[in-house]
Amino acid sequence: AQKVTQAQTEISVVEKEDVTLDCVYETRDTTYYLFWYKQPPSGELVFLIRRNSFDEQNEISGRYSWNFQKSTSSFNFTITASQVVDSAVYFCALSDHVKGAQKLVFGQGTRLTINP
Amino acid sequence: GAVVSQHPSWVICKSGTSVKIECRSLDFQATTMFWYRQFPKQSLMLMATSNEGSKATYEQGVEKDKFLINHASLTLSTLTVTSAHPEDSSFYICSARDLGGAEAFFGQGTRLTVV
Repeated sequence: AQKVTQAQTEISVVEKEDVTLDCVYETRDTTYYLFWYKQPPSGELVFLIRRNSFDEQNEISGRYSWNFQKSTSSFNFTITASQVVDSAVYFCALSDHVKGAQKLVFGQGTRLTINP
Repeated sequence: GAVVSQHPSWVICKSGTSVKIECRSLDFQATTMFWYRQFPKQSLMLMATSNEGSKATYEQGVEKDKFLINHASLTLSTLTVTSAHPEDSSFYICSARDLGGAEAFFGQGTRLTVV
């Protein structure tokens, strides 16, 4: 069975600090996708990144970066120089690739609060 | 980019009534749509997978007679919460996968409150 664990329920930091959100996953599939989504108070899910299991290269997008480590089954997300607008709930998710159905298994989410 | 529109954004209904939520893919055809439910301060849980022209596949523990799903066309899936109860109050969100694609796109979600 697939499982995603986000051990950090809530994180609170002061603006401009760097913050890392952890994500650990379990799957028996050799091919899969990993995702990060942002959910602001309005509720919609904002897509941040999708990573194929064969691509272990780290990714950077502006202040966001992701560290994919297959050896530890982790896909951590770092926000550099955090801003108040980064406050939201962040979800890590996993889907199988072979079946192609794209149904997602979500982690419990991490509520991130950036204080001015 | 692909757009999925969900309607309504929020709804309040009386206990015992039924509520229909629509999920539309606006600029692509979706053979498969997914319905998730999110209780306050909890994660999203898949309720069912909806395939165009066939019966939905429900996840364990989800009552198919209570949560009716119809996917009659390649651009529209509907979720009807029948005989709603206060415990059905939740955030319902759909996603749609395009033909042959590996991507699924989310709607804006519907906040249902049953009073």
